[in-house]
Amino acid sequence: GAGVSQSPSNKVTEKGKDVELRCDPISGHTALYWYRQSLGQGLEFLIYFQGNSAPDKSGLPSDRFSAERTGGSVSTLTIQRTQQEDSAVYLCASSWGGTVNQPQHFGDGTRLSIL
Amino acid sequence: SQKIEQNSEALNIQEGKTATLTCNYTNYSPAYLQWYRQDPGRGPVFLLLIRENEKEKRKERLKVTFDTTLKQSLFHITASQPADSATYLCALDELANTDKLIFGTGTRLQVFP
Repeated sequence: GAGVSQSPSNKVTEKGKDVELRCDPISGHTALYWYRQSLGQGLEFLIYFQGNSAPDKSGLPSDRFSAERTGGSVSTLTIQRTQQEDSAVYLCASSWGGTVNQPQHFGDGTRLSIL
Repeated sequence: SQKIEQNSEALNIQEGKTATLTCNYTNYSPAYLQWYRQDPGRGPVFLLLIRENEKEKRKERLKVTFDTTLKQSLFHITASQPADSATYLCALDELANTDKLIFGTGTRLQVFP
């Protein structure tokens, strides 16, 4: 069956530009997570959506980062005025429900490079 | 502060041997612990979940233990194969029964034929 889909797979942009990263979760999954993974580092939590509840934005590193989830399905992560330190792989995951006793299903990420 | 430690050095073993990876944590009281596999250029793939009241869990050639006294989980791959070569990540719930997982940095396993 279809897994989590992320687009684009690669994005190269100039410093100062805005970027939008898209995530299509597995159909029926109510929970959606965004993570950032820098080279040789673990996954850094960014934001979490669960059903119709207010998102948990506690991991967003600055106000240049925002995310939305429309219709409880597709999510977009937006980074405004990109900086070089934003270069990383951005991973999206979805799961049944939002509890940590459920496995998370990951996409293959968007590799973002800021020149 | 809360911390998860996985051996940052790669683990190199010969095909057919048992690989053992370690995940240590401090200042946590997790209710669940998960293990994931990540191949280069791919997202992590879920392998096993173990609960705090479970000492051991098995799935085919995989075995996970969870010692809440030692604050440690061990991940074993028996009869290892070159195809098992990947980075293995452990993940804990941030606070018991919250909705967020905190991931370790992972250990790279290399299995040589």
